[in-house]
Amino acid sequence: DAEITQSPRHKITETGRQVTLACHQTWNHNNMFWYRQDLGHGLRLIHYSYGVQDTNKGEVSDGYSVSRSNTEDLPLTLESAASSQTSVYFCASSEVRGAQETQYFGPGTRLLVL
Amino acid sequence: AQSVTQPDIHITVSEGASLELRCNYSYGATPYLFWYVQSPGQGLQLLLKYFSGDTLVQGIKGFEAEFKRSQSSFNLRKPSVHWSDAAEYFCAVVHSGSARQLTFGSGTQLTVLP
Repeated sequence: DAEITQSPRHKITETGRQVTLACHQTWNHNNMFWYRQDLGHGLRLIHYSYGVQDTNKGEVSDGYSVSRSNTEDLPLTLESAASSQTSVYFCASSEVRGAQETQYFGPGTRLLVL
Repeated sequence: AQSVTQPDIHITVSEGASLELRCNYSYGATPYLFWYVQSPGQGLQLLLKYFSGDTLVQGIKGFEAEFKRSQSSFNLRKPSVHWSDAAEYFCAVVHSGSARQLTFGSGTQLTVLP
């Protein structure tokens, strides 16, 4: 079955280190997204991509970057991890049918920055 | 900018009782609306979605939601709650135009009493 996976599922890192979170989908979806989830804020969009070589900033993009070299993968990089980036990170990809778009989510990565 | 409000942070119901989770949106055009459920430690699972047509939408796990344009609402309902429904529920609306991004409410935590 097609799916979306994230790795690692849990990560502990230190302030100032570079961290990369992986996201891989096998649905062949063009659109992919990264969100962070924090108590009281729901999910907030970090970056998104509408296809290979396309990346766009979301609501909370400072300190994060993404690259899209193929359809299946959208890795999220924290350039220099900060304690404020401790969060749960979700990747999503979307199915588009005309004007109707539905996002499907991965299982999440729980990141702790010490 | 559009927003999504889930007025109830936490709801407790007894198993077998009916359930209604509220969702209000602020959006100028016709919205695309979604309900997702998140079990502890899991990703978000799509329950149902509304794009157009019949304003009463059926979803998985016995859930339904009704779009009421006059009230700017998309409330989620279930006639008889099961203990396994205990989870956090998120309402979301999609942007229009080129962005097509999801905006999430802050979530409603559902506790089910035996």
